[in-house]
Amino acid sequence: QKEVEQNSGPLSVPEGAIASLNCTYSDRGSQSFFWYRQYSGKSPELIMSIYSNGDKEDGRFTAQLNKASQYVSLLIRDSQPSDSATYLCAVNGNQGAQKLVFGQGTRLTINP
Amino acid sequence: GAGVSQSPSNKVTEKGKDVELRCDPISGHTALYWYRQSLGQGLEFLIYFQGNSAPDKSGLPSDRFSAERTGGSVSTLTIQRTQQEDSAVYLCASSLAGLYYGYTFGSGTRLTVV
Repeated sequence: QKEVEQNSGPLSVPEGAIASLNCTYSDRGSQSFFWYRQYSGKSPELIMSIYSNGDKEDGRFTAQLNKASQYVSLLIRDSQPSDSATYLCAVNGNQGAQKLVFGQGTRLTINP
Repeated sequence: GAGVSQSPSNKVTEKGKDVELRCDPISGHTALYWYRQSLGQGLEFLIYFQGNSAPDKSGLPSDRFSAERTGGSVSTLTIQRTQQEDSAVYLCASSLAGLYYGYTFGSGTRLTVV
């Protein structure tokens, strides 16, 4: 089992709809969870972080964390073509280590 | 500087040659990380520096890879006797110390071994 798993996609969503991206992780000791956006040919950019169970909202983005089920998700409301990118889920590593373990990423395409 | 700076942005080298990749982190960030990303793949952890602690080298794929961080700032990743499978984008990131700070990535060095 991979430490951090994401559906590789591609996920295709019409413009204006809600895009839902999911991630599961294996280490119950993980405490910090991040979502990065990576445009083609560019480096990853941090867009959301979450540490406590529940929802965290920032503009059109909402991160959701459920530690009991070991999943974290990212919702993008009112999706725009500029949201088309690969979204990487990252989780802090074994035994509370600061280094992050990244999922393989989900490629999202927003169709105008 | 304002961001994480990496150089060179592109490097083409012949198989068997040594290469050095440089990373200049954000001022004040005590943690520095190296990852690599092969085409269409996720990020593979290589090495992590935190302040004056011994680096976490657990991700280095072979003894041809080494890294150092001088004065708690600039880091150099060295690959000796490069192989074609070393071709990838090498990403450096830095962060403040602690579990709750995300990384800021540099723009990467694209290494091509021919």
